Amino acid sequence: DAGVIQSPRHEVTEMGQEVTLRCKPISGHDYLFWYRQTMMRGLELLIYFNNNVPIDDSGMPEDRFSAKMPNASFSTLKIQPSEPRDSAVYFCASSLRLAPWNEQFFGPGTRLTVL
Amino acid sequence: AQTVTQSQPEMSVQEAETVTLSCTYDTSESDYYLFWYKQPPSRQMILVIRQEAYKQQNATENRFSVNFQKAAKSFSLKISDSQLGDAAMYFCAYRSAGKSGSRLTFGEGTQLTVNP
Repeated sequence: DAGVIQSPRHEVTEMGQEVTLRCKPISGHDYLFWYRQTMMRGLELLIYFNNNVPIDDSGMPEDRFSAKMPNASFSTLKIQPSEPRDSAVYFCASSLRLAPWNEQFFGPGTRLTVL
Repeated sequence: AQTVTQSQPEMSVQEAETVTLSCTYDTSESDYYLFWYKQPPSRQMILVIRQEAYKQQNATENRFSVNFQKAAKSFSLKISDSQLGDAAMYFCAYRSAGKSGSRLTFGEGTQLTVNP
C-alpha cells in the first residue's frame, strides 16, 4: 500500500487567497484525521471523519476552515480566506477502527506558507 | 480532557549510548493506548512503539522500550545503542480506547540530538 497521500507537499500563497489541501487515506481505513502542527501550539487535531461523516470538528479554528470527505478515498481541507497565522504543517492521517491498536498512519504533511 | 506533557524540550545523547525521554499524562479513563511517534526532518510521523494501558508488561521494539507506570501516569521511552538516525523530534501521544476516543492527543515533543 502507498500509505496516506497528501498534496501538495508545499504551498505558498498570499493572504486572502483560497487554499485547498488534499488527502487520500489508506484503502479500507474508515477513519480520517486532519492535524495542524505549529511551533506555538504543537500538533492539534482539527477534525476527523468516520465513514466519510464528520464526527468531531471542535478543533477547527474558525469558519474560514472547512473540510469535506466526498468519498472513502478523498478528503479536502479548505481555508478561505487564508491568513498568515494559518502558516503551518497540515497532516492527514487514517486508521482502521477495528484494528486492536487503532494505529493512525500519517501522511507526509503539507507545509503551508501564507504571505 | 486528557493532557500529555513532555517536560524535556531537548535532549542529547552520544552515539551508542542510552537515552530516556519522559512523558506524563493526565486522564480519568482506565483503558487507553499510549504511543511514541518519531518525526525526523522529513516531517513524516513514524510510529515507534505503543502500549495498551491494561497490559502491565512494558512494550519493546528492538532498541526501543518503554517504562509504563500506570499509577504514576508516566510513559517514558528508552532508546538503547543510539544511532545517528535516531535524531528526530519525538512525540508522546494518548488515545482513548473508548467509543468516542479516536483522536490522538500529543505532547509538546522532545528534540533528540545524537552526537557522533
